This record gives sequence, C-alpha cells and structure tokens, in this order.
Amino acid sequence: EDQVTQSPEALRLQEGESSSLNCSYTVSGLRGLFWYRQDPGKGPEFLFTLYSAGEEKEKERLKATLTKKESFLHITAPKPEDSATYLCAVQVTGTASKLTFGTGTRLQVTL
Amino acid sequence: GAGVSQSPRYKVAKRGQDVALRCDPISGHVSLFWYQQALGQGPEFLTYFQNEAQLDKSGLPSDRFFAERPEGSVSTLKIQRTQQEDSAVYLCASSAGTGHSNQPQHFGDGTRLSIL
Repeated sequence: EDQVTQSPEALRLQEGESSSLNCSYTVSGLRGLFWYRQDPGKGPEFLFTLYSAGEEKEKERLKATLTKKESFLHITAPKPEDSATYLCAVQVTGTASKLTFGTGTRLQVTL
Repeated sequence: GAGVSQSPRYKVAKRGQDVALRCDPISGHVSLFWYQQALGQGPEFLTYFQNEAQLDKSGLPSDRFFAERPEGSVSTLKIQRTQQEDSAVYLCASSAGTGHSNQPQHFGDGTRLSIL
C-alpha cells in the first residue's frame, strides 16, 4: 500500500530561524512528488513538483529536495506569513493522476 | 475568477438528508478530482473525471456517494442519506493534463459539510 508520512506534525519557529520539514514515502513507483501549502479555511495551494531523485526546486524562502525515499522542504529565514500547514503528496505510476497525501506539518512562525 | 470555485462554502444538513456540492473548474481544464478532508488530516481521493468520463471512483466510500460531470465542465458531488461520518471538507481540484500527466492539481477552497 502506498504511504506518505510527514514529520514533525507541528513546528514552531521564530522569525529567521531556518528549518526543514520531512516527507517520507513508500510507493510502488513514483511518478511525481508534490508540495502544497494550506491556510486555514482554504484549499491547498500548489508549491512544487519533483520527479526524480536529486532534483531541487526553489521559490522565495522555500527549497524542496527529493531522494529515493523522502523529500525535504527547507525554509530559510522564515517570516510570520509562512505560517501554514504544508502538505506532501505523491502520484504513483498506474493510478491516473490521483494524489495520495500525508497528514501535513503545521508550521507557526512567531516574531 | 480564474481559480476553482466551489459552492456552497458551508452546508449544514440533518442526518438522512441528501446534499449536492458543486465545483466549477478552471476553464479548459480536462481533469477534475474530488477529495475529502477530515479535520487535521490530509485530503483523501474520492473520484476522478477526464472530461465527462468518470475514470476512477475507487475512493468513494459507499454507494451513497455519486459524482457527475455531464458536459465535461461543472461537476456535482451528491451524497444521499447523509450520515454523521460524512462531515468533512470536500475539495475539488482541476488540472490541465490528462490522466497520466504530471500537471499540478489546483484546488478550490472546499465545501465544509456538517451533518447534525
């Protein structure tokens, strides 16, 4: 069975304190790994897609990396507006695009 | 607007009533997905349409759940004889790609369904 596990469940950072969120996955065949941001009362907002081990993508203070077993979302010098739940999801070969999500990491960045 | 639009945003129903949730995808998007999100959990897949064809309904939890997309654009998720365990946020997503593409899915803000 395909599984996605995110850690930690919750993370509290001070403004400027860099850290990383982890997404580990066990799938029969990975077609793509996706990172989303979700604010309270809103739908998930697309951040990145990663396709193969060694790939990295960056957007502002966020950088996503991928290995054969896990992905990291690195947050550099976070600001309070980065506070949100970060969701990781996988697309598995042979499953026609549906996403399998982890339970997310709730990030709070304080002044 | 340019994004995925869902209505109503909130729905309260009594146990046993039928409900219908609407999704307007991004114009021109071929693929449409429905997900269910329980409090504190990640979204869980319900069903997938490519144009008007429902290609995957493996995530629908029971035969009380029914989805349609008759003209390949707007979609409706219907839940018959609602139960308390149906309370959740129902998310719709659309994508420009077809079934086996890696195009990202873009989500609406969901319908929060509460069953009393």
